[in-house]
Amino acid sequence: EAGVVQSPRYKIIEKKQPVAFWCNPISGHNTLYWYLQNLGQGPELLIRYENEEAVDDSQLPKDRFSAERLKGVDSTLKIQPAELGDSAVYLCASSPITGPYNEQFFGPGTRLTVL
Amino acid sequence: GENVEQHPSTLSVQEGDSAVIKCTYSDSASNYFPWYKQELGKRPQLIIDIRSNVGEKKDQRIAVTLNKTAKHFSLHITETQPEDSAVYFCAASETGTASKLTFGTGTRLQVTL
Repeated sequence: EAGVVQSPRYKIIEKKQPVAFWCNPISGHNTLYWYLQNLGQGPELLIRYENEEAVDDSQLPKDRFSAERLKGVDSTLKIQPAELGDSAVYLCASSPITGPYNEQFFGPGTRLTVL
Repeated sequence: GENVEQHPSTLSVQEGDSAVIKCTYSDSASNYFPWYKQELGKRPQLIIDIRSNVGEKKDQRIAVTLNKTAKHFSLHITETQPEDSAVYFCAASETGTASKLTFGTGTRLQVTL
C-alpha cells in the first residue's frame, strides 16, 4: 500500500511570492491533516479535513493561508504571499476514520525556504 | 487547549543502555497518547501508543507508561541500538476533537557505540 504522497519535496521561493503544496492521502483515508513543523519543534496542526469538510481550521492563518480538498481525496495548501517566517516543513497526514485511537500516517513533507 | 511538555530535549546514551523520555500534558480529559519517531529528513512514524484505560504498554524493547493522576507519560527504550537514534515526539489528543494531536517539542536521542 502506498503511503501519503506529498509534492514538491523542496521549494525555494522569494518572499511575497505564492506557493502551493499538494498531498495525496492513503487510499480510503477520509481524514486529512496539514501540519507545520518548524526546525526543532513538533508538528502543529494547521487544518483537519473529514472528507471534503474542514472541521478544524482554527490554527490556519487565514489572511495568507488557504486549503482545499474538493473531492475528499487530494488536498492543496496554499500560501499567498509567503513571508520569511513561513520557512518550515509542511507535513500532510491521513487516518482512516475519525476517533480517539486512529493512527495518523504522515507524508515525507515539503520543505519550504522563503528568501 | 492542550499543552504538552517534553524532556529532555537531547539525550545521549551508550549502546545497550536504556533511554527514558518524559512528557506532561495539561488537559485531564486527554485519552490517547502516541509516540512518534522521526529520523533525519524523514516522516514521523508511530512507534507505540497508549490509551487512558491502561497504565503501561510494552512492545519488544519499547514501553510506555501513563500516570493520569499526575498527567504524565513516559517512553522507555531498553537495550538501545544505533538505529534508535532519531527525534522522538510524544503527543496527546484533546477531548471532543480526538483526532487533533498536540505534540511535544521532541527529544533528540543519540545512541553511541
